[in-house]
Amino acid sequence: DSGVTQTPKHLITATGQRVTLRCSPRSGDLSVYWYQQSLDQGLQFLIQYYNGEERAKGNILERFSAQQFPDLHSELNLSSLELGDSALYFCASSVGRRDHNEQFFGPGTRLTVL
Amino acid sequence: AQSVTQLDSQVPVFEEAPVELRCNYSSSVSVYLFWYVQYPNQGLQLLLKYLSGSTLVKGINGFEAEFNKSQTSFHLRKPSVHISDTAEYFCAVSDRAQAGTALIFGKGTTLSVSS
Repeated sequence: DSGVTQTPKHLITATGQRVTLRCSPRSGDLSVYWYQQSLDQGLQFLIQYYNGEERAKGNILERFSAQQFPDLHSELNLSSLELGDSALYFCASSVGRRDHNEQFFGPGTRLTVL
Repeated sequence: AQSVTQLDSQVPVFEEAPVELRCNYSSSVSVYLFWYVQYPNQGLQLLLKYLSGSTLVKGINGFEAEFNKSQTSFHLRKPSVHISDTAEYFCAVSDRAQAGTALIFGKGTTLSVSS
């Protein structure tokens, strides 16, 4: 158990819908990262938050957004869903220090868009 | 920008045989290096990491990796594999100079151990 929790574990929805994925980082970790894992693209970084502020953006679509709340949990919002958004979405957390960049991954949320 | 190439997409081996999973990286900056394992239907678990110091890094479950700066490689090895090592293995890098930056992953190598 990494200490990172993600809900829900599975999500099935239809095209055009909007969903929210939730992540709680390990106790003491300030950074939260979102990754998407799909068969064709592999593991891709989407976005990072550090102590409530957006720190870095990767290959995140404009239909997707995220935020990190004062209690440090994070939510990833996916809207106008398309079939190609079906994937495993991972959240990871780290302390956020330069000399300690180990990231701990949650179990993931499997999103299926029908 | 960094990139990671895992040279083998699938590696089939027999139980108790040695295995090497190859990883090469490309980066214009100094990097940290990681190997993660993903068992079926699970999240990623850190196997080992290279931050600094000795280039031979030992991790969990008997795995080790060697950082070779001149060849920009970070190959993962295990002298004797078990059936339970069957999983997907990912090599990853991050920028050493930036605090807590995102990981850049390779495409993964599927290790299949059979008896």
